[in-house]
Formats: sequence, C-alpha cells, structure tokens
Amino acid sequence: TQLLEQSPQFLSIQEGENLTVYCNSSSVFSSLQWYRQEPGEGPVLLVTVVTGGEVKKLKRLTFQFGDARKDSSLHITAAQPGDTGLYLCAGYNYSGNTPLVFGKGTRLSVIA
Amino acid sequence: EPEVTQTPSHQVTQMGQEVILRCVPISNHLYFYWYRQILGQKVEFLVSFYNNEISEKSEIFDDQFSVERPDGSNFTLKIRSTKLEDSAMYFCASREGLYSNQPQHFGDGTRLSIL
Repeated sequence: TQLLEQSPQFLSIQEGENLTVYCNSSSVFSSLQWYRQEPGEGPVLLVTVVTGGEVKKLKRLTFQFGDARKDSSLHITAAQPGDTGLYLCAGYNYSGNTPLVFGKGTRLSVIA
Repeated sequence: EPEVTQTPSHQVTQMGQEVILRCVPISNHLYFYWYRQILGQKVEFLVSFYNNEISEKSEIFDDQFSVERPDGSNFTLKIRSTKLEDSAMYFCASREGLYSNQPQHFGDGTRLSIL
C-alpha cells in the first residue's frame, strides 16, 4: 500500500506569515492533488500536479511536484485567516481507473 | 460550476438496520467512487464504479456493502446491516476521465451515525 505522509500535522501561525506544508512518499505517483476540507464538508480541489518538477500557483498558494514525483509541497505566502482549514494531499498510484490515496492532512490555523 | 451532490447530509440509524446513501455525480462524468472518513482519520477508499460495474474495491467494502446506479443520474451506496464501526462521513466522488490531469471531485458527504 502506497502511503502519503503529510507534515506538519498541525500548524498555527500569525496572519501575514509564510508557511510550507509537505506531502511525502517513498513511491512514485502519476499525479497528486491538493484538496482543502472544511469541517463537515467534502474535500475541495485546489490543484492537480502531473509532471515532475511542475510548479503551479493559485493566488498566494504555490504548489510543487517533486522531480521524482514522490513528494509535493504547498507554500502559502502572507497567510490570512481565510486560509484556515485542513489541507489534504492525495495521489494516484498509477494511471487508469485507480482510487486516490490520501494523506492525513495538515490542519492550518491562521490567527488574526 | 457543476458539483457532486449527496443526500442526506446526516443519517442516524439503529445498528443492524439497512441504510442507503445517495449521490448525484457531475453529469458528464463516467467514473464514480465512494470513500469514507472516520472522525479524526484519513479519507479511505471504498469502491470505484464504471460502466455499471465495480472496477475496484477495498478490504473495507465487504459483503455488507453494495453500490448501484439505478438510473442515469443517481449512484447509491447501501449498507445492509449496519455496525457501530460504520459510523463515519461517507463521500461520493466522480471523475470525467482517466487522464492524470483529470481529478476526482467530491460531494459534501453524508454523516452516518450508528446507534
């Protein structure tokens, strides 16, 4: 079973600070997705990364897929209270009709 | 933007009773999934479904579970005889195709509470 380890598990920062969360595996993934989940709701897709070394930006969020497609990072610049939530990485083990493998998530709290 | 919808949002059921969770996937999507998330734990895969057949299922998806696409829009998960440990959030997801850049989109889930 391929695992995705996310770190840190919890992160509490002040508004305006920068942060990076990590998603690591010993296995190669054909693609990785980042989702954000609010309490009592389903995961909402933020981005998909497919190519090794790929970098995608979504406003103040920067996502990177590792060159070997085994890891990914999410960097948030100038965090705001609205960024508070659970950030999940999830990947496809291989191409085709494959289920998503999820990490446990990083719970981010941005304090005003 | 099209979205996956799930009903009910919360279901409370006595242990041993049957429960049906309903999902309406995004209309042009062809691949459907059920996941569950026990409180405080990670999202776990249950089953995938394509062309009116189960494509893959996990160890969790035992004989008590079944899925069905009874018509052109609904996708259901049935648990025949619920157990206390079935209490969890159940998420439906759908996917348009199988290219790596085609992600799964999730509904808001059904919170299942077994008493």
